[in-house]
Amino acid sequence: AQKITQTQPGMFVQEKEAVTLDCTYDTSDQSYGLFWYKQPSSGEMIFLIYQGSYDEQNATEGRYSLNFQKARKSANLVISASQLGDSAMYFCAMREPTNAGGTSYGKLTFGQGTILTVHP
Amino acid sequence: NAGVTQTPKFRILKIGQSMTLQCTQDMNHNYMYWYRQDPGMGLKLIYYSVGAGITDKGEVPNGYNVSRSTTEDFPLRLELAAPSQTSVYFCASRSWSGSWETQYFGPGTRLLVL
Repeated sequence: AQKITQTQPGMFVQEKEAVTLDCTYDTSDQSYGLFWYKQPSSGEMIFLIYQGSYDEQNATEGRYSLNFQKARKSANLVISASQLGDSAMYFCAMREPTNAGGTSYGKLTFGQGTILTVHP
Repeated sequence: NAGVTQTPKFRILKIGQSMTLQCTQDMNHNYMYWYRQDPGMGLKLIYYSVGAGITDKGEVPNGYNVSRSTTEDFPLRLELAAPSQTSVYFCASRSWSGSWETQYFGPGTRLLVL
């Protein structure tokens, strides 16, 4: 079974600084996907970034980058130049592995989340 | 594009009552999902569907049922509501292309069972 671990219940960062949110995962499979979602206090789930397990380059989306270390089974989210609007809960998630036929049902397993607070 | 829409936004149920949570997507996605989020926790998969007429159980299916008669709609049925079903329910649909993919989430339905 897959498992996602986010060890930081809460993180604080000063506005304009960078912050890293940790995520480790456990799987014996080679083909899988990793996601980060943001959940502000309003409750919606906002997709931030995706990394496929075979992608050699770290994914980037604007101020978000995913530090993917496959051997360590970690997929940390780096937010550069933090803004007050970045204050939210952040979830790491892993998509189930691709099967022998090369397909996946796309089922996601989520971590417990990290609450990020950005101070002015 | 409205994306993924859910109704209602909030509902209070008495123990033993039943209800249907509605979910609709206008992106023509085959894959759709229902998750629940308990307070302070991550999301857990209840049911999923890979296309009209095809559904399967996720991690926490007990107490729920789903159907998928069209590509657009994926309703979640709660029978005999229990306090343990107090949660926020999210519907999602999947999009992927080559080496990229995502799941688009609806705004959620907050359910309180008393």
